[in-house]
Parts: sequence; C-alpha cells; structure tokens
Amino acid sequence: DTEVTQTPKHLVMGMTNKKSLKCEQHMGHRAMYWYKQKAKKPPELMFVYSYEKLSINESVPSRFSPECPNSSLLNLHLHALQPEDSALYLCASSQDPGQARNQPQHFGDGTRLSIL
Amino acid sequence: AQSVTQLDSQVPVFEEAPVELRCNYSSSVSVYLFWYVQYPNQGLQLLLKYLSGSTLVKGINGFEAEFNKSQTSFHLRKPSVHISDTAEYFCAVNKEGNTPLVFGKGTRLSVIA
Repeated sequence: DTEVTQTPKHLVMGMTNKKSLKCEQHMGHRAMYWYKQKAKKPPELMFVYSYEKLSINESVPSRFSPECPNSSLLNLHLHALQPEDSALYLCASSQDPGQARNQPQHFGDGTRLSIL
Repeated sequence: AQSVTQLDSQVPVFEEAPVELRCNYSSSVSVYLFWYVQYPNQGLQLLLKYLSGSTLVKGINGFEAEFNKSQTSFHLRKPSVHISDTAEYFCAVNKEGNTPLVFGKGTRLSVIA
C-alpha cells in the first residue's frame, strides 16, 4: 500500500475539458512533487512545492496549473490539454525540503490520463 | 551537471539466476544515490539508497547495491531472482540545488520461468 494517494486512477478527457488531479499524504512531508511519465520512459519533473510554496516549475505549459492548499494536499489543474499530454502523472513527497538531496521520495501510484 | 546512465535498457534472466543492473553517474560533487522499482500500473517504490558510510547497501526484496566512487558506479544486484521481480528499475542521483532526483532511463528486468 502506498502512503501517497492519488485520485482518480484513470481519467479520460477532451481537449476542451477542465479537470483536476489530486494527491494526498499524511506523513508530515513538507516537499511535494508532480511528475509526468510517458510509456517506457523515466519520470520527468514538472513542479516542486516546498512548505506549500511553489519552488520549481520545470518550464511546464500553463495548461497545467498546480496548487498546494495545505501541507497534505497537492492538486494539478488541467485545462485545454493536448493529445501529447496523455501520460501517467505521478505525485511524490519527501520529508524536509531543506534536506531534499539526501531524502528518498515516496510516490503515489499515479493517474493515467488520456486526452481525446 | 549530474547525469545517470543505465547501460542496459532490457535484461532478461531466468528464474533463480543472479542479476546485476548497471548504473553509472557523473557528478562534480558528493552524491546521494537511489534505486527505485516500478511494477506495472504502479508508482515508483524505493529499493535502497546510498547516502554515506558503508559502500554496500542492502535494500528490500533481497536487493543490494555497491557504491564505487572510483568507477562512479552504483550497480544493483540480486543473487536469485523471482518471477515477481519483473519490473522497471530506475537508478537516480541527486541534483544540485532544490531538485533532488535525476533519473536514469530505466532497465526493464524480465524474469523468465
């Protein structure tokens, strides 16, 4: 069982839809991450939140909008996505943003997103 | 800049045989190294990590890895694999600054009965 919970597990949406991905952890971790993973590829970092503030945006298109309402929750709002955005979206967390280099990340099982 | 190279994209191996998955890194500073496993339709799970100290690191599911600074390697090994070890394995290294992980391209381990 994963300690990072992502919902929904699967999502199919049209290019004009607006949807949100949700991620929750109750381990007291203060760093949270969004990754995008295409088939047979490693995860690609999208965003990092440290102490509920956005600290890294890896030049992600504005059709992806992250939000961290509190220390346990992380959302990814989606709008006007393209077919190439179809992928597995992974959320992760780690304990202390100040010590991120030596801390493992805990991953959720992801949301498999398909854009029609 | 830091990077991670996983030399084998696919490794087929018979059940109960030993396996080694190779990982080399490049870095100008001290590194922290990780191996993750991804089973089908799941997220990544930490197998083991090297932060400091003993160069032989033991992880979950019978896996171990050895940090070799002179060869800049962190190869993953298991003396006897099971069918259930079939998965994608990612080596990862910390990156300078706030981004903690840089992943290798992954190695697909296929265990054959």
